[in-house]
Amino acid sequence: QSALTQPPSASGSPGQSVTISCTGTDSDVDNYRYVSWYQQHPGKAPKLLIFEVFKRPSGVPDRFSGSKSGNTASLTVSGLQAEDEADYFCSSDGGNSNLLFGGGTKLTVL
Amino acid sequence: EVQLVESGGGLVQPGGSLRLSCSGSGFIFSNSAINWVRQAPGKGLEHVSGISSNGDVTYYADSVKGRFTISRDNSKNTVYLQMNSLRPDETAVYYCVKVVSGGVQHWGQGTLVTVSS
Repeated sequence: QSALTQPPSASGSPGQSVTISCTGTDSDVDNYRYVSWYQQHPGKAPKLLIFEVFKRPSGVPDRFSGSKSGNTASLTVSGLQAEDEADYFCSSDGGNSNLLFGGGTKLTVL
Repeated sequence: EVQLVESGGGLVQPGGSLRLSCSGSGFIFSNSAINWVRQAPGKGLEHVSGISSNGDVTYYADSVKGRFTISRDNSKNTVYLQMNSLRPDETAVYYCVKVVSGGVQHWGQGTLVTVSS
């Protein structure tokens, strides 16, 4: 059982927007600004999409955006494209050098 | 360009041991904490262990405490993960990672550890 809770699946049609949630507790997501999101295609290592709740590393399209409210963080993918079909994971600082992950959400582009 | 390269994975029997290595380049290795994250087949990610830049501070997940030992040799730009008493449910791809601003910004390609008789 993962420390952070994500829905197992999400879907949307090309061009639409999809939001994936990541729920933690007062001790992690709500307590730190270090919430991140990752995209993983089959057989590949995860790729960082969002860090510090809403910041994007260089090269990540602005179609990907992050936010947080209380103990729930969210990743929104706008203007869905076929190549966005992948697994998405969230992470949060859990304190004491511990990095917590969500169980992952499989995004299907219909 | 930051590169992390893992090695040492393979097939091991339950109760056996394995030592993983992670070699880093493209950054000042001796200034960087390094962590290990694993992913069982078809499953999510789990932070297994971490070590500070000078090796003074280490982290272990409760599930591996007492069985895994992380260490580093900054003269060789290498971090090691000694894994003892391995269990079948620890079959996973083990990634060497570098955390920046709370997120895993750099991932190795991963090394597969299979625990099976």
